[in-house]
Amino acid sequence: GIQVEQSPPDLILQEGANSTLRCNFSDSVNNLQWFHQNPWGQLINLFYIPSGTKQNGRLSATTVATERYSLLYISSSQTTDSGVYFCAVEEVANSKLTFGKGITLSVRP
Amino acid sequence: ETGVTQSPTHLIKTRGQQVTLRCSSQSGHNTVSWYQQALGQGPQFIFQYYREEENGRGNFPPRFSGLQFPNYSSELNVNALELDDSALYLCASSSDRAYEQYFGPGTRLTVT
Repeated sequence: GIQVEQSPPDLILQEGANSTLRCNFSDSVNNLQWFHQNPWGQLINLFYIPSGTKQNGRLSATTVATERYSLLYISSSQTTDSGVYFCAVEEVANSKLTFGKGITLSVRP
Repeated sequence: ETGVTQSPTHLIKTRGQQVTLRCSSQSGHNTVSWYQQALGQGPQFIFQYYREEENGRGNFPPRFSGLQFPNYSSELNVNALELDDSALYLCASSSDRAYEQYFGPGTRLTVT
């Protein structure tokens, strides 16, 4: 099956700093989603981005499908950005989501 | 618009027992997927239902089974519970099989 690798595994930032989270995948995909998991376990949809670039406030994402990677940018980070960020891809052959192991972000005041 | 809901929130069961978890899809969504998330890991796909039919299954044994009802709500049943079944179980719905998935808050199952 498809492999999804996220880096770095852990990230510590000072409030106000910018960061880039990376997601590499091993095969062609139909779709790609980025999620933020809050401390209670809820997965919050950030971006649905099979290709191209999208922006939503301080967050933006870019997927380069031909090179099999996606980037999530967080600008002017806030303590509320802390949590685990997951990238998930949907294979061409089926409609299940395969998740990476996540990136744990800690933003310090 | 009502989001995806799951019940119960938490559940404690004994090894060998059976459990049923429930999920209500977001309004207008006909596809439901179930995922298991062990502590410190990413969610793992269990199976997906599309218009009441199973539409794909992950690497889970047959004691994990599901149903989707005409109103597109869904159940996940797990028989003969094992300690390793302790996890957060997440349900996601989408407007079709290959569209953006929206997750519920999850059910945290503890098997003792």
